[in-house]
Amino acid sequence: GAGVSQSPSNKVTEKGKDVELRCDPISGHTALYWYRQSLGQGLEFLIYFQGNSAPDKSGLPSDRFSAERTGGSVSTLTIQRTQQEDSAVYLCASSPRVGVRGLYTFGSGTRLTVV
Amino acid sequence: GESVGLHLPTLSVQEGDNSIINCAYSNSASDYFIWYKQESGKGPQFIIDIRSNMDKRQGQRVTVLLNKTVKHLSLQIAATQPGDSAVYFCAEIPPPSNTGKLIFGQGTTLQVKP
Repeated sequence: GAGVSQSPSNKVTEKGKDVELRCDPISGHTALYWYRQSLGQGLEFLIYFQGNSAPDKSGLPSDRFSAERTGGSVSTLTIQRTQQEDSAVYLCASSPRVGVRGLYTFGSGTRLTVV
Repeated sequence: GESVGLHLPTLSVQEGDNSIINCAYSNSASDYFIWYKQESGKGPQFIIDIRSNMDKRQGQRVTVLLNKTVKHLSLQIAATQPGDSAVYFCAEIPPPSNTGKLIFGQGTTLQVKP
């Protein structure tokens, strides 16, 4: 597509429920990143995928968070047993390849609210 | 831990004036820096970047200055317009730089008064 698409744009969920957030990167982009943006804060790196290589999961805050990328395209970020501190905007970005400087394209994010 | 921080959370300027947004970074080994603009409800948008072997880089109405001695980065916007109102983030890529992982600051809100 023309840009990075994320869905849903907004999600309200009850504490303890699982949620799935979806990211459709730009066609042909092999690198995909997930970031989290808490209210009034900068972006916090969560995970990135590059082609068929093993993902870098070093930023995931707990084992309740997981992500996968099927067929080198669409990615899903899953948060299990959501907690109120998980409330944030989750942003996805793609790039032609890892480390290509300045060529990240971000989606508009999914605003997650845990009540 | 590593951090990139911004000096001021909010900057208010008159339309037509120049704006200067500052940023301090902590990792002296970082070799690449980026400024992003984020409008409400949107993802960050690339503005300008600079490599550590440069002191200054200019774009259209924007200039980024890098002072490695004091680990300071600034973004200058000339003739600020209402459309420049947004949150501005600096980001760095610390080593190993081939990961492309960005470390972001907290952001500065730029308000442009007509």
